Amino acid sequence: AQKVTQAQTEISVVEKEDVTLDCVYETRDTTYYLFWYKQPPSGELAFLIRRNSFDEQNEISGRYSWNFQKSTSSFNFTITASQVVDSAVYFCALSENNYGQNFVFGPGTRLSVLP
Amino acid sequence: GAVVSQHPSRVICKSGTSVKIECRSLDFQATTMFWYRQFPKQSLMLMATSNEGSKATYEQGVEKDKFLINHASLTLSTLTVTSAHPEDSSFYICSARATGHAPAQHFGDGTRLSIL
Repeated sequence: AQKVTQAQTEISVVEKEDVTLDCVYETRDTTYYLFWYKQPPSGELAFLIRRNSFDEQNEISGRYSWNFQKSTSSFNFTITASQVVDSAVYFCALSENNYGQNFVFGPGTRLSVLP
Repeated sequence: GAVVSQHPSRVICKSGTSVKIECRSLDFQATTMFWYRQFPKQSLMLMATSNEGSKATYEQGVEKDKFLINHASLTLSTLTVTSAHPEDSSFYICSARATGHAPAQHFGDGTRLSIL
């Protein structure tokens, strides 16, 4: 069975600090997809990134970066120079294929960025 | 592209009322839609998978007679919470699968249901 663990329930940082959100996954599939979503207090999910299991390249998008380590089954997310607007709940998710079957969310990490 | 519209965004109603939530894919066809429920400070839990033209597949522990799902067209799925009670109060989110697009699922903005 697939499982996603986000060990950090809540994180608080001061603005401009860097912060890393951890994500560890379990799956028996050799092909799978990993996602990160942001959920602000208003509730809507914002897609951040999708990564397939064959692409272990790290990715950087502005202040966001992702580190995919297949050897440790981790897909960590780093926000550099955090801002108050980054405050939200962040979910890591795993899907067994590109069509959304068996889409499993982690428990989420609540990030609070203090001014 | 790949926008999913969910309506209403918020519902407050009395216990015993049935509530219908709509999920529409605005610019793509969705043969499969998913319904999730999220309780406060918890993660999203899949309730059911809705396939156009066929019966929905419910996750274990989700009452199909309580949560009626209809996916009559390639752009619309509805979730009806029948005879809602306070314990059904939650945040309901739909998503639609668009083949050939990334990400695999496109999420609606959610419906916050409060049963008094």
